[in-house]
Amino acid sequence: AQTVTQSQPEMSVQEAETVTLSCTYDTSESDYYLFWYKQPPSRQMILVIRQEAYKQQNATENRFSVNFQKAAKSFSLKISDSQLGDAAMYFCAYREDSGGYQKVTFGTGTKLQVIP
Amino acid sequence: SQTIHQWPATLVQPVGSPLSLECTVEGTSNPNLYWYRQAAGRGLQLLFYSVGIGQISSEVPQNLSASRPQDRQFILSSKKLLLSDSGFYLCAWRRSGLSYEQYFGPGTRLTVT
Repeated sequence: AQTVTQSQPEMSVQEAETVTLSCTYDTSESDYYLFWYKQPPSRQMILVIRQEAYKQQNATENRFSVNFQKAAKSFSLKISDSQLGDAAMYFCAYREDSGGYQKVTFGTGTKLQVIP
Repeated sequence: SQTIHQWPATLVQPVGSPLSLECTVEGTSNPNLYWYRQAAGRGLQLLFYSVGIGQISSEVPQNLSASRPQDRQFILSSKKLLLSDSGFYLCAWRRSGLSYEQYFGPGTRLTVT
């Protein structure tokens, strides 16, 4: 079974600084997708960034970027120029596509605190 | 544009009472639909998913059931709630296909007393 591990239950960063959230996963598949979701206090889940496993280039969305290491099964999220609005729970998620069914497995989350 | 709705937003129910949570999606057709539960301070647990009307698959056998009576409607139900059913329930949708990510509704906070 696929598993997603986020080993940092909580992280903190100073406003305007950079922080990296870690995620590792376990799979025997070669084609899959990885995501980072943000859940602010409102609890609305918001997609931050996604990465296709077949792409070697790391995905980037404005201040958010990933470091995807396929061989190491690692998928970390880097937030640059942190803002107060970045404070939230961040979930790493893995999805594979097989047999017409796309199952998403989520990690347990990392709570990010942004210090003014 | 597509939107996803969930109601109610919050619900307090006594143990042993029935449950019905509704999720609807607008602006798309034949979406894949998902029900997740998030316990306090925990990640998301997939409960049910559906790839079409009347097609429901369960990930975790438990006190809950799901139905999809219409293409864009997904209902989570229980005949008798347990204390352990308390949590935050999220509905999500995605387009059928290989590369589309999931989009989540605003969630329902359920407290079983």
